[in-house]
Amino acid sequence: AQRVTQPEKLLSVFKGAPVELKCNYSYSGSPELFWYVQYSRQRLQLLLRHISRESIKGFTADLNKGETSFHLKKPFAQEEDSAMYYCALKGNQGGKLIFGQGTELSVKP
Amino acid sequence: GAVVSQHPSWVICKSGTSVKIECRSLDFQATTMFWYRQFPKQSLMLMATSNEGSKATYEQGVEKDKFLINHASLTLSTLTVTSAHPEDSSFYICSARGPANEKLFFGSGTQLSVL
Repeated sequence: AQRVTQPEKLLSVFKGAPVELKCNYSYSGSPELFWYVQYSRQRLQLLLRHISRESIKGFTADLNKGETSFHLKKPFAQEEDSAMYYCALKGNQGGKLIFGQGTELSVKP
Repeated sequence: GAVVSQHPSWVICKSGTSVKIECRSLDFQATTMFWYRQFPKQSLMLMATSNEGSKATYEQGVEKDKFLINHASLTLSTLTVTSAHPEDSSFYICSARGPANEKLFFGSGTQLSVL
């Protein structure tokens, strides 16, 4: 079964601290994984995807097939990073996205 | 980037009435759109995949007759919640696959409240 798990509902850190939002997945095949972000009162938007191996707004995520993880990391959190973060997996049926439960990141001053 | 417009952004209706939500791709054609439902502080649950010119594909447990999806053009998909009940109150989000058929772009969502 295809599943995405984000174990933390809420992650609270202080400004300047490192942050890691956990994501584990279950998928039979080669996964395509994404991180989406939803800022307060805004729509969901793509943050990054593993095939691009990019760094957006200081965030990176590495696909670890051995641990079936795709954790999102940032070395120094900023207050404007406060948002809901969703890990998502692109399924093999019609390209639909399967989302994790989401993690609310709160960066305190 | 590509823009997906979703309308209305919020709607309040009486129990038993039907509500239509529109999802438009403004500057690109979207052969495939997706409809999600989101409860507060919870994940987005895929309801159905909307394909232009053909019947929508519903996820398991989603009532086809209750959530009618029409994708009659390459820029518009509609979700109609028929005979709405309070338990249908939720945040509904649509998304469309972008012009390069790679990224998904999301609408701003519709908050439905059924009294």
